[in-house]
Amino acid sequence: LAKTTQPISMDSYEGQEVNITCSHNNIATNDYITWYQQFPSQGPRFIIQGYKTKVTNEVASLFIPADRKSSTLSLPRVSLSDTAVYYCLVDGGGYNKLIFGAGTRLAVHP
Amino acid sequence: DAGVIQSPRHEVTEMGQEVTLRCKPISGHDYLFWYRQTMMRGLELLIYFNNNVPIDDSGMPEDRFSAKMPNASFSTLKIQPSEPRDSAVYFCASSFRAISYEQYFGPGTRLTVT
Repeated sequence: LAKTTQPISMDSYEGQEVNITCSHNNIATNDYITWYQQFPSQGPRFIIQGYKTKVTNEVASLFIPADRKSSTLSLPRVSLSDTAVYYCLVDGGGYNKLIFGAGTRLAVHP
Repeated sequence: DAGVIQSPRHEVTEMGQEVTLRCKPISGHDYLFWYRQTMMRGLELLIYFNNNVPIDDSGMPEDRFSAKMPNASFSTLKIQPSEPRDSAVYFCASSFRAISYEQYFGPGTRLTVT
C-alpha cells in the first residue's frame, strides 16, 4: 500500500479556506485517494474520495493533479467546528484495508 | 439506522483480567473492522471480517487478543489477560462491499488497564 505524507498540524481562522496537501509518490494505478476527519473522542468519518482531477461534495473539495502523486483537500470557509484531525489514505480500490497515517491536526481559531 | 454500536463506552480493569469489547455493525454491511488508537501509535487496524469470516488478522498484536463474529450483527474483541499497555481507544467500523473505502466508525471503547 502506498505511503502518504501530510503536515502534522495547521492553524487557520474562521471563514478562511483551508488546503491540506498530501503526498503519495508511490500511488498505484488502481489506488483511490480518501480523506477522513476525526473529532476528539469520536471515530473517524469519511469526507471525500477521488481518483483524478477534482471531486466536490457538500463538505469539501479534493484536487488531484494529473500525476496523482499528491492531493489537496480544500475546506471552504472553515468554522470552529472544523477543528479536527484529517487523514489522507490511499487504498487499492476494492481492497478494504485502510492504513491511517498520523494525520493533520487542524486548529481553527476565532 | 443507529450507526455502528459499541459497548461498553468506557472500561477500567486491572491487569490480568479478561476484557470483552462488543460491536454491532450497520445492518447490511458485510465488512467489519477492529481498530486501536493510541497517542503513540495512532490508528491501527487489528483485524477485519468479511461475511463473518476473519480475512486479515495481521494487526492483532499477540495471542492475548482474539476476535469473533458469530453472526452478521455482532462481533467481539477479547483481551485475556489484559496488560496496562493495552490501554487505548478501540474502534469498530463497518462497510458495504460496494463502497469499500467508506467505513463507518462506532464511538469507540476507551479501555484503561491499571
